Amino acid sequence: EAEVAQSPRYKITEKSQAVAFWCDPISGHATLYWYRQILGQGPELLVQFQDESVVDDSQLPKDRFSAERLKGVDSTLKIQPAELGDSAMYLCASSSRTGVNYGYTFGSGTRLTVV
Amino acid sequence: DAKTTQPPSMDCAEGRAANLPCNHSTISGNEYVYWYRQIHSQGPQYIIHGLKNNETNEMASLIITEDRKSSTLILPHATLRDTAVYYCIVFNTGTASKLTFGTGTRLQVTL
Repeated sequence: EAEVAQSPRYKITEKSQAVAFWCDPISGHATLYWYRQILGQGPELLVQFQDESVVDDSQLPKDRFSAERLKGVDSTLKIQPAELGDSAMYLCASSSRTGVNYGYTFGSGTRLTVV
Repeated sequence: DAKTTQPPSMDCAEGRAANLPCNHSTISGNEYVYWYRQIHSQGPQYIIHGLKNNETNEMASLIITEDRKSSTLILPHATLRDTAVYYCIVFNTGTASKLTFGTGTRLQVTL
């Protein structure tokens, strides 16, 4: 079964450092999403891509977060500088708008700890 | 997208049916009901979705009331591996819509 790949699985970084997460969606999925999940809460959408274009980044803290999907395939989410409050699980998901829509397929996430 | 209301937690004995309720009284005609679950430290996993008819797959059954204001996810024979947070989400599959999660129901399956 096709999967959304994310790396690294875990990341510990010091505050004020830069950190990056990578996501490879299911092949052929044009839409890619980055979510952040704080412990005890549901995932919150940060940014949505359609191919290489940003469709929605209204919840992305743009002073420190950036996201790109240069060739419309894999994507990188960056935080610079990291703050203690950024400690969370960062989830990537992809979906296809063609054919039968089963919603989104999520990766296993990257758990970030900022110390 | 319409908002959903779920109980924060439920318990179920292993081997019994788990019935997880969800209220979505403001659902509109083109919105589907989706269920996802999240096992500890993993990404959310799709379970099932429906528009107005009851649906069944290898994982679960989804019962949607006739007025579509509520639904129930049924796990017919719960196992310990079904312990997870279950999210009920109302979702319009149009291009502008996004999957928006609430806090879900934490289901604990016990021996």
